[in-house]
Amino acid sequence: AQTVTQSQPEMSVQEAETVTLSCTYDTSESDYYLFWYKQPPSRQMILVIRQEAYKQQNATENRFSVNFQKAAKSFSLKISDSQLGDAAMYFCAYRSWTSGTYKYIFGTGTRLKVLA
Amino acid sequence: DGGITQSPKYLFRKEGQNVTLSCEQNLNHDAMYWYRQDPGQGLRLIYYSQIVNDFQKGDIAEGYSVSREKKESFPLTVTSAQKNPTAFYLCASSPWTSGGETQYFGPGTRLLVL
Repeated sequence: AQTVTQSQPEMSVQEAETVTLSCTYDTSESDYYLFWYKQPPSRQMILVIRQEAYKQQNATENRFSVNFQKAAKSFSLKISDSQLGDAAMYFCAYRSWTSGTYKYIFGTGTRLKVLA
Repeated sequence: DGGITQSPKYLFRKEGQNVTLSCEQNLNHDAMYWYRQDPGQGLRLIYYSQIVNDFQKGDIAEGYSVSREKKESFPLTVTSAQKNPTAFYLCASSPWTSGGETQYFGPGTRLLVL
């Protein structure tokens, strides 16, 4: 079964600095999608970035980028020029094809604190 | 504006009572999902549905029931058999076509037991 692991329960970063959140996953599939979601104090889940496994190029969305290492099954999120509004829980997720349907598997999350 | 709505925002359940959480989407998505979120844990899948009148159990379906009579709606009932229902519940939807890999979420419902 596929699993997603976020080994950092909490991280802190100084405003304007860069921080990297880690995510590893386990799968036997060759084609899949990976996601990072942000959950601010409002608890609304917001898509930050997504990566298609068959694409070699790392996805980028403004200050957010990923380091996708397919062989190592690693999918880390880098936040550059951190802002106070980046403070939130961040969840890594994997979309799997299981029993004829798509299911999304989430990690346990990393709480990011941004220090002024 | 297209999106997913959940109601109510807060819900209180008395002992032995069934309660229903509403989830509606106007994104024309085929698939809909219910998740439960507890403190310190990720999202756990309760039920999901790919098409109208069809749904499957997720990882923690015991004590819950769903229906999918319309494409836009996927209500979740928390039954009295669910002994620990206090949690945050999230509804999500996604397309079922190529290019529709992203799951979108509603704002959630907080369920508390009196």
